[in-house]
Amino acid sequence: QQQVKQSPQSLIVQKGGISIINCAYENTAFDYFPWYQQFPGKGPALLIAIRPDVSEKKEGRFTISFNKSAKQFSLHIMDSQPGDSATYFCAASTLDSNYQLIWGAGTKLIIKP
Amino acid sequence: GAVVSQHPSRVICKSGTSVKIECRSLDFQATTMFWYRQFPKQSLMLMATSNEGSKATYEQGVEKDKFLINHASLTLSTLTVTSAHPEDSSFYICSARDRGGQPQHFGDGTRLSIL
Repeated sequence: QQQVKQSPQSLIVQKGGISIINCAYENTAFDYFPWYQQFPGKGPALLIAIRPDVSEKKEGRFTISFNKSAKQFSLHIMDSQPGDSATYFCAASTLDSNYQLIWGAGTKLIIKP
Repeated sequence: GAVVSQHPSRVICKSGTSVKIECRSLDFQATTMFWYRQFPKQSLMLMATSNEGSKATYEQGVEKDKFLINHASLTLSTLTVTSAHPEDSSFYICSARDRGGQPQHFGDGTRLSIL
């Protein structure tokens, strides 16, 4: 019940296209859903995050869509650029878990020029 | 803002050596720090959680005598890998959060290679 399932494992998108990564969870107590971007040899960096009281959050080219009833959330990258090529992780946490993050397996995104 | 500095970025040492990794929050007070281990092409695996001034809480399967964690101040936590062996070679990453709860801010990781 603590798992966060992420798909796809890898994704290739043409420059200028839309990249979409999906995550699903079971634990309805999760109340914070971040997306992290990780480049090789670096630590993850927070990209965007959402709480379950909203269905969508947009920051620049990055949008989180959240479906509470389906227990799913997704990351959309508009106008994808080669510099977006990285591994993306979704995660989830609850207040009473000391804010520990439960991580998805990651998606390796490659943007082709 | 919210910068976490991790040092060193890379360590190569002989089997049997103990290695200390530092994690510092540069511009905020880190109420809680987390230590992760990441294998190639895999997700982050939480090793332990430490609150300032308290003993670290280790995840199941993580040897507390092998991976010593100290969180002596609100800006510094250290992970010491004692008597390291080749199987301890990995990418170790720390993160920190302040009293507000989220988000976690991550260091740039330490690549540990034990020969």
